[in-house]
Parts: sequence; structure tokens; C-alpha cells
Amino acid sequence: GNSVTQMEGPVTLSEEAFLTINCTYTATGYPSLFWYVQYPGEGLQLLLKATKADDKGSNKGFEATYRKETTSFHLEKGSVQVSDSAVYFCALSDWDDKIIFGKGTRLHILP
Amino acid sequence: GAVVSQHPSWVICKSGTSVKIECRSLDFQATTMFWYRQFPKQSLMLMATSNEGSKATYEQGVEKDKFLINHASLTLSTLTVTSAHPEDSSFYICSARSQQGASTEAFFGQGTRLTVV
Repeated sequence: GNSVTQMEGPVTLSEEAFLTINCTYTATGYPSLFWYVQYPGEGLQLLLKATKADDKGSNKGFEATYRKETTSFHLEKGSVQVSDSAVYFCALSDWDDKIIFGKGTRLHILP
Repeated sequence: GAVVSQHPSWVICKSGTSVKIECRSLDFQATTMFWYRQFPKQSLMLMATSNEGSKATYEQGVEKDKFLINHASLTLSTLTVTSAHPEDSSFYICSARSQQGASTEAFFGQGTRLTVV
């Protein structure tokens, strides 16, 4: 079945550091890929998405490229801020519209 | 973006009682809603898919007699945890899909933290 694997957290970085959160997936079809973010005390929000191979999703300085050859969708940001501290979920959605989530990666950014 | 409202945001109940959680799509019609459960430091686990006017489809291992889902209209789905026990304490999140053209983005409620004492 479909699954998503993302790097274990927590990840702690200093402000302005470069961020990478790895995500790989297993899918039988051609899924859409997503990154969701959950800020402290809030619900899930869509951060970015990509619907086909080689698409790059981007939002708020974050980027992720849909790599079919490596079945990956790694999240990157060139310079993180304290306000980026949150839990990040990689997810996929296949033909059946169900969203399958990774376990989430908690990110702490130190000032 | 579209708004999904989930109520209540937190609830404490006694063991053996039932609790109902509502999920409303405020500005769009959602033919399909999803219910997730999130354990501490764990991922979101899909519990069931709720289609308007029909029975919910439950994921393997989810007790449908314990977690009753009703999707009575295009804007409302409810999850009732029946005869709740402490192990049912968790964070429950609903999601609704808005289909506009080719977009099938999912929007999430803010979640309900259930504590069973």
C-alpha cells in the first residue's frame, strides 16, 4: 500500500540556517505530494504541493521538488526563522483521494 | 482558502459516556470528509472516509460501532465516540475536500482534543 516516510525529529537549527527535511514515498499510482505544517496550538495547513513529476512546490520560502526517480519530496528552506518552528508533515494523495501522512518532523528554530 | 470549522476544540468526558464532534465546511460544499486521529508525537491516522448521504468507509482496525460517523449534508459531518474510555483520548481532526475545477485541495479543521477521565 501507499506510505510516506520522513526523517525523525526533532530538528533543531539556529535562525538563518539552511533546512532540509527528507521525505520519501511508496505509491502504486501517480500521487500528488504535499507538505503540511502544524504551528503550535493550530490546525494543519497546506504549505505546498506538487501534482506531477518534476513539479516544484513553493510557499513562504519553502520549496520541494517531486522526484519520481528517487520517490522523494524533500522540503528545503534557505534561511529559517524562529516563526518556522512547527511540526511538518509530508503527505501523498492517490486516486482514492485519501491523504496518507508521514509521522511528522518537529522543527525548533533557536534565535 | 476555504474554511473548515471543527467543534468543540477540546472536551473532557467521563469514561462510558459518548462525545460528538462536528466538522463543518463553512464556505464550500464537501461531498467527502475525512476523519483522522493523531496520537502524541505520532502521525495522523486516517480513521474513515465520510461521503454525504451514504455510510462511512472505515480503515482497517477502526471500530465502526465505536466511532460513529454521520455525513447528513454537504457541509456537515459528525464523529461520535461512543462509550468512551481513557484509551480513546486523542486529538481528532477532520478534513474536507473542495473540488473546484482541477483542484482537489483538502482543508483541515483545527482539531478536537478529547480527554476521557
